[in-house]
Amino acid sequence: AQSVAQPEDQVNVAEGNPLTVKCTYSVSGNPYLFWYVQYPNRGLQFLLKYITGDNLVKGSYGFEAEFNKSQTSFHLKKPSALVSDSALYFCAVRDVGPGYSSASKIIFGSGTRLSIRP
Amino acid sequence: NAGVTQTPKFQVLKTGQSMTLQCAQDMNHEYMSWYRQDPGMGLRLIHYSVGAGITDQGEVPNGYNVSRSTTEDFPLRLLSAAPSQTSVYFCASSYGPLNTEAFFGQGTRLTVV
Repeated sequence: AQSVAQPEDQVNVAEGNPLTVKCTYSVSGNPYLFWYVQYPNRGLQFLLKYITGDNLVKGSYGFEAEFNKSQTSFHLKKPSALVSDSALYFCAVRDVGPGYSSASKIIFGSGTRLSIRP
Repeated sequence: NAGVTQTPKFQVLKTGQSMTLQCAQDMNHEYMSWYRQDPGMGLRLIHYSVGAGITDQGEVPNGYNVSRSTTEDFPLRLLSAAPSQTSVYFCASSYGPLNTEAFFGQGTRLTVV
């Protein structure tokens, strides 16, 4: 079964410093990986995705993620953090198990709370 | 363009009551899903649908029913509310499988007392 793990419940970074939010995955077959962000009292918003091709994926708000097949990782990064980046971040993977309907399922990690201090 | 609309935003139920959480999308997406979000557990899939008339169970389906009579609507029914169903519920839709991202509603915060 497909799964994702976010090993850190919380990441604290000073404004202006680079940030990394970690994600590892376990899939059978090709991975379809996503990052979402959730601001307080809001729904999840799509940030970026890896489907195929370049291992470095660029997304919204200056975020990027690096796909590493050998380490089965998809870490989210940003060169210079902003206080407004403080939010809850979720890594996710599409279920590519057997069956027509299984591909509609998205499996989420437990989330990492990112806190950027001024 | 409204996207994914969920109603109500907040709800308090007594144990044993039933209710329906509404979800509608105006993007003509085939795929729709319901998730619940609990602290430290991420989002867990309750039910999902790949098109009108087709639904399937997710990870935590017990106590919930769904139907998909139209492409636009995907209501979630709580049959007999229990305190364990206190959670934040999110509806999501996507255009297709695998390589497409999901769009989420704003959520419904449900408290069962």
